[in-house]
Amino acid sequence: DAKTTQPPSMDCAEGRAANLPCNHSTISGNEYVYWYRQIHSQGPQYIIHGLKNNETNEMASLIITEDRKSSTLILPHATLRDTAVYYCIVRARHGSGNTGKLIFGQGTTLQVKP
Amino acid sequence: GAGVSQTPSNKVTEKGKYVELRCDPISGHTALYWYRQSLGQGPEFLIYFQGTGAADDSGLPNDRFFAVRPEGSVSTLKIQRTERGDSAVYLCASSRGGSSYNEQFFGPGTRLTVL
Repeated sequence: DAKTTQPPSMDCAEGRAANLPCNHSTISGNEYVYWYRQIHSQGPQYIIHGLKNNETNEMASLIITEDRKSSTLILPHATLRDTAVYYCIVRARHGSGNTGKLIFGQGTTLQVKP
Repeated sequence: GAGVSQTPSNKVTEKGKYVELRCDPISGHTALYWYRQSLGQGPEFLIYFQGTGAADDSGLPNDRFFAVRPEGSVSTLKIQRTERGDSAVYLCASSRGGSSYNEQFFGPGTRLTVL
């Protein structure tokens, strides 16, 4: 699976948008971009995923560049409860020898401040 | 509904002992994953089950680690002759399986401490 690069830490003011970048310049055509987050002392939690189109759900928006070499996770109105480690993961399609396992990097520690 | 549960939540053992960690996945989820997370690091893949069979055990660090899922539901991760370096949080996740975009649901983890 392709490697990702994320900044180690970011701060965001409560109520403002948090924009978390991720570089995945070696991503291949069958790989999806996933975002998970891990709040302290909990297991990781799925946020969103996409292939090439921008995606939005109740938690966040995912913007993927046209060349798919980078993406940005947007939390539109960050709250203190969004303080967590955010992981950007690229993963091949499950099947045809791919197991769907997640390869986590170090992630970005997002600190939302009042 | 009930999420993924793991027991025990904490386990303290002595070097050289045998431990078993249990995972109860979400009902109906055919795919089950074990990960290990050391302090300050992201989770590291250990093993993947599709149904009863271990479809990918490439992440198991050595032959002291073994996992089973005999009826395709509950899974047990077994560690023999524990070492201090095995201390970590062991995470279990399950998913519906069979599709690339099925999200994985994680349990709270078991914190293993080897003295």
